[in-house]
Amino acid sequence: NAGVTQTPKFQVLKTGQSMTLQCAQDMNHNSMYWYRQDPGMGLRLIYYSASEGTTDKGEVPNGYNVSRLNKREFSLRLESAAPSQTSVYFCASSEATGPNTEAFFGQGTRLTVV
Amino acid sequence: DQQVKQNSPSLSVQEGRISILNCDYTNSMFDYFLWYKKYPAEGPTFLISISSIKDKNEDGRFTVFLNKSAKHLSLHIVPSQPGDSAVYFCAASDYGGSQGNLIFGKGTKLSVKP
Repeated sequence: NAGVTQTPKFQVLKTGQSMTLQCAQDMNHNSMYWYRQDPGMGLRLIYYSASEGTTDKGEVPNGYNVSRLNKREFSLRLESAAPSQTSVYFCASSEATGPNTEAFFGQGTRLTVV
Repeated sequence: DQQVKQNSPSLSVQEGRISILNCDYTNSMFDYFLWYKKYPAEGPTFLISISSIKDKNEDGRFTVFLNKSAKHLSLHIVPSQPGDSAVYFCAASDYGGSQGNLIFGKGTKLSVKP
């Protein structure tokens, strides 16, 4: 019972490099999300996808792009990584948007940009 | 400008005693609140939620209380167990808003000592 799977688990990038964080869920959820967590901070929403084919900006979208490839997969791309993007990234999914639909989180991707 | 505040970064309690984690919010439009628990190197997991039409919700050892007039909620864990040691995040959303409107606090690290 995988739930939400993120790859990779760890990544080190040089400033200016690009990469894509992958996320897949096997719960047939409609909505998917990308959060980042920084020391002493809560989880901040980067982008979300309320349903297949739609994406919307969250609280901190600058420097990121997303693709909802299909219902299962939601990827996060850093086109030109910056040290400020060093963080732990969490993907999440929920059955639907709105209340009473809690999100299920992946185990996270720890990204370091040097 | 934090909309969801967890003013205690850490809390230490003795096994068997009550743990009380507090959360304050500023946005009066919030009407759905959740608590997540997070262990190191894992993603957050949903714990309990409460709608603004209620003032209490209970699930086993976990109870969440909501005081709308004070814009305050609290999570009570009774009795506390060493396995409860984790970071607890409070989160809030506005009705009809997507999960994208889910705003997290910075978290409180709970340590339960045997």
